[in-house]
Amino acid sequence: DAGVIQSPRHEVTEMGQEVTLRCKPISGHDYLFWYRQTMMRGLELLIYFNNNVPIDDSGMPEDRFSAKMPNASFSTLKIQPSEPRDSAVYFCASSLWSNTEAFFGQGTRLTVV
Amino acid sequence: KQEVTQIPAALSVPEGENLVLNCSFTDSAIYNLQWFRQDPGKGLTSLLLIQSSQREQTSGRLNASLDKSSGRSTLYIAASQPGDSATYLCAVRLNYGGSQGNLIFGKGTKLSVKP
Repeated sequence: DAGVIQSPRHEVTEMGQEVTLRCKPISGHDYLFWYRQTMMRGLELLIYFNNNVPIDDSGMPEDRFSAKMPNASFSTLKIQPSEPRDSAVYFCASSLWSNTEAFFGQGTRLTVV
Repeated sequence: KQEVTQIPAALSVPEGENLVLNCSFTDSAIYNLQWFRQDPGKGLTSLLLIQSSQREQTSGRLNASLDKSSGRSTLYIAASQPGDSATYLCAVRLNYGGSQGNLIFGKGTKLSVKP
Protein backbone atom coordinates (compact mmCIF):
# COMPACT_ATOMS: atom_id res chain seq x y z
CA ASP A 1 0.00 0.00 0.00
CA ALA A 2 1.26 3.51 -0.80
CA GLY A 3 0.31 4.83 2.62
CA VAL A 4 -1.96 7.76 3.34
CA ILE A 5 -2.06 10.05 0.33
CA GLN A 6 -2.85 13.74 0.58
CA SER A 7 -3.30 16.29 -2.17
CA PRO A 8 -2.27 18.87 -2.97
CA ARG A 9 1.08 19.02 -1.16
CA HIS A 10 1.11 22.80 -1.31
CA GLU A 11 -1.72 25.27 -1.78
CA VAL A 12 -1.50 29.04 -1.99
CA THR A 13 -4.78 30.90 -2.21
CA GLU A 14 -6.20 34.34 -1.71
CA MET A 15 -8.29 35.26 1.27
CA GLY A 16 -11.95 34.55 0.64
CA GLN A 17 -11.38 31.68 -1.76
CA GLU A 18 -12.61 28.15 -1.19
CA VAL A 19 -9.96 25.54 -0.46
CA THR A 20 -10.43 21.77 -0.65
CA LEU A 21 -7.90 19.36 0.79
CA ARG A 22 -8.06 15.68 -0.09
CA CYS A 23 -7.07 12.46 1.63
CA LYS A 24 -6.96 8.82 0.63
CA PRO A 25 -6.52 6.58 3.68
CA ILE A 26 -4.77 3.23 3.68
CA SER A 27 -7.09 0.63 2.18
CA GLY A 28 -9.19 -1.15 4.79
CA HIS A 29 -8.59 1.36 7.56
CA ASP A 30 -11.71 2.21 9.54
CA TYR A 31 -10.48 5.41 11.20
CA LEU A 32 -9.54 8.67 9.50
CA PHE A 33 -8.26 11.80 11.23
CA TRP A 34 -7.73 15.40 10.13
CA TYR A 35 -5.16 17.48 12.05
CA ARG A 36 -3.84 21.00 11.72
CA GLN A 37 -0.28 21.88 12.75
CA THR A 38 1.09 25.33 13.51
CA MET A 39 4.17 26.48 15.38
CA MET A 40 2.08 28.13 18.06
CA ARG A 41 -0.50 25.42 18.74
CA GLY A 42 1.20 22.20 17.63
CA LEU A 43 -0.96 19.37 16.28
CA GLU A 44 -4.66 19.98 16.76
CA LEU A 45 -7.31 17.40 15.98
CA LEU A 46 -10.00 18.87 13.75
CA ILE A 47 -12.29 15.89 13.18
CA TYR A 48 -12.16 12.12 12.99
CA PHE A 49 -14.30 9.49 11.28
CA ASN A 50 -15.06 5.86 12.05
CA ASN A 51 -16.47 3.82 9.16
CA ASN A 52 -17.11 7.06 7.22
CA VAL A 53 -19.16 8.56 10.08
CA PRO A 54 -17.89 11.71 11.84
CA ILE A 55 -17.35 10.87 15.52
CA ASP A 56 -15.93 14.07 17.00
CA ASP A 57 -15.82 17.39 15.15
CA SER A 58 -15.36 19.55 18.23
CA GLY A 59 -11.95 20.64 16.94
CA MET A 60 -13.32 22.23 13.78
CA PRO A 61 -12.60 25.93 14.35
CA GLU A 62 -15.81 27.38 12.96
CA ASP A 63 -18.49 26.98 10.36
CA ARG A 64 -16.07 27.88 7.61
CA PHE A 65 -14.58 24.40 8.00
CA SER A 66 -16.35 21.27 6.83
CA ALA A 67 -15.23 17.67 6.30
CA LYS A 68 -16.79 14.78 4.47
CA MET A 69 -16.05 11.12 3.94
CA PRO A 70 -18.33 9.94 1.15
CA ASN A 71 -16.73 6.49 1.04
CA ALA A 72 -14.07 4.44 2.76
CA SER A 73 -11.30 5.54 0.39
CA PHE A 74 -11.72 9.31 0.25
CA SER A 75 -12.16 12.31 2.52
CA THR A 76 -12.16 16.06 1.99
CA LEU A 77 -11.59 19.04 4.26
CA LYS A 78 -13.05 22.25 2.90
CA ILE A 79 -12.49 25.82 4.05
CA GLN A 80 -14.89 28.43 2.72
CA PRO A 81 -14.10 31.29 2.84
CA SER A 82 -10.41 30.96 3.67
CA GLU A 83 -8.60 33.45 5.90
CA PRO A 84 -4.88 34.15 6.49
CA ARG A 85 -5.11 32.60 9.98
CA ASP A 86 -6.00 29.28 8.35
CA SER A 87 -2.42 29.05 7.06
CA ALA A 88 -0.96 25.84 8.47
CA VAL A 89 0.01 22.30 7.56
CA TYR A 90 -2.99 19.99 7.44
CA PHE A 91 -2.41 16.29 8.04
CA CYS A 92 -4.60 13.29 7.41
CA ALA A 93 -4.05 10.01 9.25
CA SER A 94 -5.69 6.60 9.27
CA SER A 95 -5.72 3.47 11.39
CA LEU A 96 -7.20 0.03 11.01
CA TRP A 97 -9.09 0.00 14.29
CA SER A 98 -9.34 2.11 17.44
CA ASN A 99 -6.41 0.34 19.10
CA THR A 100 -3.97 0.00 16.22
CA GLU A 101 -1.12 2.06 14.84
CA ALA A 102 -1.97 5.36 13.15
CA PHE A 103 -0.23 6.35 9.92
CA PHE A 104 0.10 9.89 8.61
CA GLY A 105 0.16 11.43 5.19
CA GLN A 106 2.81 13.93 4.13
CA GLY A 107 0.51 16.87 4.76
CA THR A 108 -0.79 19.82 2.79
CA ARG A 109 0.89 23.16 3.42
CA LEU A 110 -1.77 25.83 3.06
CA THR A 111 -0.92 29.49 2.69
CA VAL A 112 -3.72 32.04 2.56
CA VAL A 113 -2.60 35.49 1.45
CA LYS B 1 -10.34 15.93 29.19
CA GLN B 2 -7.17 14.11 28.24
CA GLU B 3 -4.02 16.24 28.17
CA VAL B 4 -0.63 15.08 26.93
CA THR B 5 2.53 16.87 28.04
CA GLN B 6 6.07 16.44 26.78
CA ILE B 7 9.09 17.68 28.67
CA PRO B 8 11.52 19.11 27.75
CA ALA B 9 10.32 21.11 24.76
CA ALA B 10 13.83 21.07 23.34
CA LEU B 11 16.96 19.07 24.04
CA SER B 12 20.50 19.30 22.69
CA VAL B 13 23.03 16.52 23.29
CA PRO B 14 26.44 15.51 21.93
CA GLU B 15 26.64 12.55 19.61
CA GLY B 16 26.91 9.18 21.31
CA GLU B 17 24.97 10.14 24.42
CA ASN B 18 22.05 8.08 25.67
CA LEU B 19 18.93 10.16 26.26
CA VAL B 20 15.36 9.97 27.55
CA LEU B 21 12.32 11.85 26.31
CA ASN B 22 9.30 12.12 28.58
CA CYS B 23 5.57 12.04 27.93
CA SER B 24 2.79 12.29 30.51
CA PHE B 25 -0.98 12.02 30.18
CA THR B 26 -3.78 12.83 32.57
CA ASP B 27 -6.29 10.02 31.97
CA SER B 28 -5.29 6.36 32.06
CA ALA B 29 -8.27 5.20 29.96
CA ILE B 30 -6.21 4.64 26.84
CA TYR B 31 -5.90 1.87 24.28
CA ASN B 32 -2.26 2.58 23.55
CA LEU B 33 0.48 5.18 23.29
CA GLN B 34 2.40 5.86 20.10
CA TRP B 35 5.71 7.66 19.55
CA PHE B 36 6.32 9.54 16.32
CA ARG B 37 9.22 11.31 14.71
CA GLN B 38 8.81 14.43 12.57
CA ASP B 39 11.59 15.88 10.45
CA PRO B 40 11.34 19.55 9.43
CA GLY B 41 8.77 20.09 6.71
CA LYS B 42 7.80 16.43 6.70
CA GLY B 43 4.99 14.23 7.93
CA LEU B 44 4.94 12.07 11.06
CA THR B 45 6.69 8.71 11.04
CA SER B 46 5.54 6.10 13.53
CA LEU B 47 8.36 4.79 15.72
CA LEU B 48 6.76 2.60 18.37
CA LEU B 49 3.30 1.61 19.54
CA ILE B 50 2.75 0.37 23.10
CA GLN B 51 -0.59 -1.21 23.95
CA SER B 52 -2.05 -0.36 27.36
CA SER B 53 -1.36 -3.90 28.57
CA GLN B 54 2.33 -3.69 27.67
CA ARG B 55 5.20 -2.22 29.66
CA GLU B 56 7.69 -1.57 26.88
CA GLN B 57 8.53 -1.90 23.20
CA THR B 58 11.89 -1.92 21.48
CA SER B 59 13.01 -1.15 17.97
CA GLY B 60 16.72 -0.97 17.29
CA ARG B 61 18.25 1.79 19.44
CA LEU B 62 14.81 2.91 20.63
CA ASN B 63 13.04 1.67 23.71
CA ALA B 64 9.68 2.99 24.86
CA SER B 65 8.13 2.28 28.23
CA LEU B 66 4.62 2.81 29.52
CA ASP B 67 3.34 3.15 33.07
CA LYS B 68 -0.38 3.59 32.56
CA SER B 69 -1.24 3.91 36.23
CA SER B 70 1.05 6.90 36.69
CA GLY B 71 0.29 8.34 33.25
CA ARG B 72 3.85 8.30 32.00
CA SER B 73 5.87 7.07 29.06
CA THR B 74 9.53 7.45 28.18
CA LEU B 75 11.39 7.08 24.90
CA TYR B 76 14.99 6.00 25.40
CA ILE B 77 17.43 6.56 22.55
CA ALA B 78 20.75 4.77 22.87
CA ALA B 79 24.00 6.03 21.37
CA SER B 80 22.41 9.07 19.74
CA GLN B 81 23.44 10.11 16.24
CA PRO B 82 23.08 13.40 14.32
CA GLY B 83 20.49 11.64 12.15
CA ASP B 84 18.27 11.32 15.22
CA SER B 85 17.77 15.09 15.20
CA ALA B 86 14.04 15.68 14.78
CA THR B 87 10.93 16.47 16.77
CA TYR B 88 9.55 13.52 18.73
CA LEU B 89 5.84 13.42 19.52
CA CYS B 90 3.83 11.11 21.69
CA ALA B 91 0.12 10.46 21.30
CA VAL B 92 -2.45 8.50 23.30
CA ARG B 93 -5.44 6.66 21.86
CA LEU B 94 -8.52 7.25 23.98
CA ASN B 95 -10.62 4.37 25.29
CA TYR B 96 -13.74 5.92 26.73
CA GLY B 97 -17.09 7.34 25.89
CA GLY B 98 -17.83 9.36 22.79
CA SER B 99 -14.14 9.96 22.15
CA GLN B 100 -13.25 6.31 21.74
CA GLY B 101 -10.46 5.94 19.24
CA ASN B 102 -9.43 9.59 19.36
CA LEU B 103 -5.68 10.29 19.08
CA ILE B 104 -4.37 13.12 21.26
CA PHE B 105 -0.87 14.55 20.84
CA GLY B 106 1.65 16.28 23.02
CA LYS B 107 3.50 19.30 21.62
CA GLY B 108 6.70 17.38 21.08
CA THR B 109 10.36 17.50 22.07
CA LYS B 110 12.76 18.97 19.54
CA LEU B 111 15.97 16.96 19.70
CA SER B 112 19.28 18.15 18.34
CA VAL B 113 22.27 15.77 18.34
CA LYS B 114 25.56 17.60 17.80
CA PRO B 115 28.41 15.86 15.93
